[in-house]
Amino acid sequence: GQQVMQIPQYQHVQEGEDFTTYCNSSTTLSNIQWYKQRPGGHPVFLIQLVKSGEVKKQKRLTFQFGEAKKNSSLHITATQTTDVGTYFCAGVNNDMRFGAGTRLTVKP
Amino acid sequence: DGGITQSPKYLFRKEGQNVTLSCEQNLNHDAMYWYRQDPGQGLRLIYYSQIVNDFQKGDIAEGYSVSREKKESFPLTVTSAQKNPTAFYLCASSRRQIRDTEAFFGQGTRLTVV
Repeated sequence: GQQVMQIPQYQHVQEGEDFTTYCNSSTTLSNIQWYKQRPGGHPVFLIQLVKSGEVKKQKRLTFQFGEAKKNSSLHITATQTTDVGTYFCAGVNNDMRFGAGTRLTVKP
Repeated sequence: DGGITQSPKYLFRKEGQNVTLSCEQNLNHDAMYWYRQDPGQGLRLIYYSQIVNDFQKGDIAEGYSVSREKKESFPLTVTSAQKNPTAFYLCASSRRQIRDTEAFFGQGTRLTVV
């Protein structure tokens, strides 16, 4: 079945530094979605990427979908303490399979 | 307010007992999902349903059962056959099939089996 791998598992940065998490699927995806889960909370949808090679931006967040529609990345520029949480990618075909997540901590 | 509601937030059960987790949505979503999250880990798919009276197993369906008698409701039963039931359970829903749209999550139920 479809597997989604995500690295790194943890990332600790100084406020103002950049952050990137990577996601790779064992199969070609219909689309990929990204979610953020704050400590003690539930996942909240950030964005969906559908097209091969697609790049989308949300303020300091940049999302990319690979040409083969099997990998994706989330890059945060100049992290802030409000960015703390776990970022999950979710590979979508007929169902949705999540990566293990990257837990981001930010030191003020 | 529209949304997806899981209850209760915390649940304690004795080992060997079945327990049912509630998930209700008033978003008129067709698809619903159950995930399990263990500490420091990602979400693993237990079951999903794309239409009433139909559901499919996910990656870790053993020891769990579901029903989808109504569009709004997708209860999950954790049976005594589930070897490690203590976890955080998340229910989600989406319009039509998940490949067309985002998923909305409930607040989760933290189940502790003692």
